[in-house]
Amino acid sequence: DGGITQSPKYLFRKEGQNVTLSCEQNLNHDAMYWYRQDPGQGLRLIYYSQIVNDFQKGDIAEGYSVSREKKESFPLTVTSAQKNPTAFYLCASMISGSGANVLTFGAGSRLTVL
Amino acid sequence: GENVEQHPSTLSVQEGDSAVIKCTYSDSASNYFPWYKQELGKRPQLIIDIRSNVGEKKDQRIAVTLNKTAKHFSLHITETQPEDSAVYFCAASKDTGRRALTFGSGTRLQVQP
Repeated sequence: DGGITQSPKYLFRKEGQNVTLSCEQNLNHDAMYWYRQDPGQGLRLIYYSQIVNDFQKGDIAEGYSVSREKKESFPLTVTSAQKNPTAFYLCASMISGSGANVLTFGAGSRLTVL
Repeated sequence: GENVEQHPSTLSVQEGDSAVIKCTYSDSASNYFPWYKQELGKRPQLIIDIRSNVGEKKDQRIAVTLNKTAKHFSLHITETQPEDSAVYFCAASKDTGRRALTFGSGTRLQVQP
């Protein structure tokens, strides 16, 4: 699926539970990103990582956490501190130094809080 | 940080007509402006992009124009077809710092057959 695999595709969570969304890429891209998509609000940046073992907060990081232990993997944890977690989550990657910041997206994970 | 505004939020055109979507950005250091198309239930995919050293770029029925002075850029789709129906996102980024794309809020384009 385009080199970036997100799982699960659909996820249901009870309030108070943490959940982890998986993102794996085989494109050998250095940088990886997590975006949240809500209707009418476009894509908002949650966290990003430009290199292994380093990551930075994006615009809406509160209630989320990430890790980047391997170049291929960038999992996102939605914690119970996230007040409105129901959304569509998109993982993306980008090759560094290409001269154009072209993002390749995964197919997304839809999280619903029951 | 960067802020990208996109208009209109919805656009309905007749098949064969042209469609124009407009975006403005706030950070004068931004130098890369892509457009993504997202069909229902699918991932966003890059359809065209432009860098700040170019004023216009064309690829078959789609074109993008950039006005650096006014900090706005536009997507033009000519001879629209039903398969052009989708949500379109503009974005902006720069080569320094986080390099992440900042997206507009999206335009839902409906092409009526």
